[in-house]
Amino acid sequence: GENVEQHPSTLSVQEGDSAVIKCTYSDSASNYFPWYKQELGKGPQLIIDIRSNVGEKKDQRIAVTLNKTAKHFSLHITETQPEDSAVYFCAAIRAGDAGNMLTFGGGTRLMVKP
Amino acid sequence: DTEVTQTPKHLVMGMTNKKSLKCEQHMGHRAMYWYKQKAKKPPELMFVYSYEKLSINESVPSRFSPECPNSSLLNLHLHALQPEDSALYLCASSQVSRTGELFFGEGSRLTVL
Repeated sequence: GENVEQHPSTLSVQEGDSAVIKCTYSDSASNYFPWYKQELGKGPQLIIDIRSNVGEKKDQRIAVTLNKTAKHFSLHITETQPEDSAVYFCAAIRAGDAGNMLTFGGGTRLMVKP
Repeated sequence: DTEVTQTPKHLVMGMTNKKSLKCEQHMGHRAMYWYKQKAKKPPELMFVYSYEKLSINESVPSRFSPECPNSSLLNLHLHALQPEDSALYLCASSQVSRTGELFFGEGSRLTVL
């Protein structure tokens, strides 16, 4: 089955700096890679995703990149703000096949210091 | 309406109690999920319902019993739990064809004494 590794497990940045979280996956058939943000006391929320036919996707201050050859993908947050502080989970799935479920990475706790 | 609502938010129960967690969504999603999350860990899949039928049971102990009464509701019945079952229980839903795009509720924090 799929295995997703996520690094770092904790990340502390100064407000306004950039943050990068990296994930690697093992199943070359995986084709959909969402990122979830979990704030304290809440459930995870999908914030951005990328499909395997795209190398990069951007949405305001967040962007994701995908390197299919190396089987890794990354989340980039620019101009970080205190409200970006949360736990971020990457995930991978072979979307479209019935019965396939997400495999989550171990999570990254991001702390943005004012 | 893009919400998944879970009740109760907090639950404390003894090992001999019977209780239930409830989940509701009105997004028309026909796939619903129960996840268990321990502190500082990712969500761990327990059960999946597709078109109100149980499609995946990730070898969950029988003291956890899921139920999907209709396309909007999902329950998790709890009986004879152990202290190690204390965790955040998350409900999620999705379109059946988009099992990677999950909408999570805020969870039910369960403490087993």
